[in-house]
Amino acid sequence: TQLLEQSPQFLSIQEGENLTVYCNSSSVFSSLQWYRQEPGEGPVLLVTVVTGGEVKKLKRLTFQFGDARKDSSLHITAAQPGDTGLYLCAAWGGNEKLTFGTGTRLTIIP
Amino acid sequence: DAGITQSPRYKITETGRQVTLMCHQTWSHSYMFWYRQDLGHGLRLIYYSAAADITDKGEVPDGYVVSRSKTENFPLTLESATRSQTSVYFCASRASGSPLGQFFGPGTRLTVL
Repeated sequence: TQLLEQSPQFLSIQEGENLTVYCNSSSVFSSLQWYRQEPGEGPVLLVTVVTGGEVKKLKRLTFQFGDARKDSSLHITAAQPGDTGLYLCAAWGGNEKLTFGTGTRLTIIP
Repeated sequence: DAGITQSPRYKITETGRQVTLMCHQTWSHSYMFWYRQDLGHGLRLIYYSAAADITDKGEVPDGYVVSRSKTENFPLTLESATRSQTSVYFCASRASGSPLGQFFGPGTRLTVL
C-alpha cells in the first residue's frame, strides 16, 4: 500500500498570509491530485499534476509536483476565509485506484 | 438531478441491523467507488467497480457488500452493522482512463448505536 503523508495536519493562519502544505511519499506516482473538502460535503478536485517538476496555478493556489514524482506542495498566496477546508492529496500508482493522504485541515481567520 | 447523489444523508441504526446506502450517478461513468472517512484515517476505499457486474475489494472491505446491476447505481450494504462502522461514507465516480478526477457525492453520515 502506498502511503501519502500530509503536513501539517492542522494549520490556522490569519487572512492575507501565505502558506504551504506538503504531500510526501517514498513511492513514485504516475500522477497526483489535490482535492478540497468543505464541511458536510464531498471532496472536490482542484488540480492534477502529471509531469515531474510540473507547476500549475489556480488563481492564488500554486501546485507543484516533485521532480522525482514522490512529493507535491500546495502554496496559497494571500489566504482568504473561503480557502478554509480540508486539503487532500491523492495519487495514482498505476492501477485504477487513488490513494488519499490524511489531509491538512486549514483554517483562515478573518 | 444531474451529478452524483447519495441517500440517505443521515442514518442512525442499531448494532446487528442491515443497512443499505444508495449511490446514483447520471454521467454513465464506468468507475464507482465507496469510501469511508474517519478522523485520523482519511479516506479509505471500501469497494470499487469498474463497470456493471464488476466489483472488487478496496482497503477495508470486511463487513460490507456491494452490487452493481446498473451502471448508474452502486449500493453499499452493511450486512450486520457494528459500532466500528460508524463513519461518513462517500460514493465517487469517474470516467475510464486516468488520471481523471473523481467526483464525490455529498456523503452519508452513519451512526451505529
